[in-house]
Amino acid sequence: DIVMTQSPDSLAVSLGERATINCKTSQSVLSSSSNKNDLAWYQQKPGQPPKLLIYWASTRESGVPDRFSGSGSGTDFTLTVNSLQAEDVAVYYCQQFYTTPRTFGQGTKVDIK
Amino acid sequence: EVYLVDSGGGLVQPGGSLRLSCAASGFTFSDYWMTWVRQVPGKGLAWVAHINPDGSEKEFVDSVRGRFAISRDNAKNSLFLQMSRLRADDTAVYYCARGHWWFEAWGQGTLVTVSS
Repeated sequence: DIVMTQSPDSLAVSLGERATINCKTSQSVLSSSSNKNDLAWYQQKPGQPPKLLIYWASTRESGVPDRFSGSGSGTDFTLTVNSLQAEDVAVYYCQQFYTTPRTFGQGTKVDIK
Repeated sequence: EVYLVDSGGGLVQPGGSLRLSCAASGFTFSDYWMTWVRQVPGKGLAWVAHINPDGSEKEFVDSVRGRFAISRDNAKNSLFLQMSRLRADDTAVYYCARGHWWFEAWGQGTLVTVSS
């Protein structure tokens, strides 16, 4: 199974500042057939199901604000939230779809400083 | 708009069985892979199983293989998870989700508690 390790486990950022979350996979998730990274990012607010933010490591889901961006390749990925808003307080998860079982990171909790 | 409504959760004794359902609307259900994901309250997300559009391909996480079955009824726009020989560590909120690579729509979840 591919192990997903996120860092940090939690962070607090001032309103309007940048939040950066890292995700490392135990093996490369770069697909040789598509030349795309099989990695997604989700946001989960308390009492709600997860919401898809990013897929293929950097493609923003329709309707997701452009302050959310994804980057990285191979085994190292980053979710960046620029100009953090109060509504961005949530837990963020990365997930690989390179192989089954699909696996998720342990989550990173983002709060306001 | 895409809607997924999970149901069927509840309290069950260890060794018991439970059938979860997911009612889909707002899209052509028979065109999509569907997935079950679970989450222990306060913990992270864990993929459980997925099924292809016509129901002929199914995959499971090792911990549930042989105990859980996934199925669908495309005529009724419904997804199912039949859970048997339930254990305490199956306690979680179970979500159905659309897709099998990334998951672009999720149900609200249904809580399964396995306890005596």
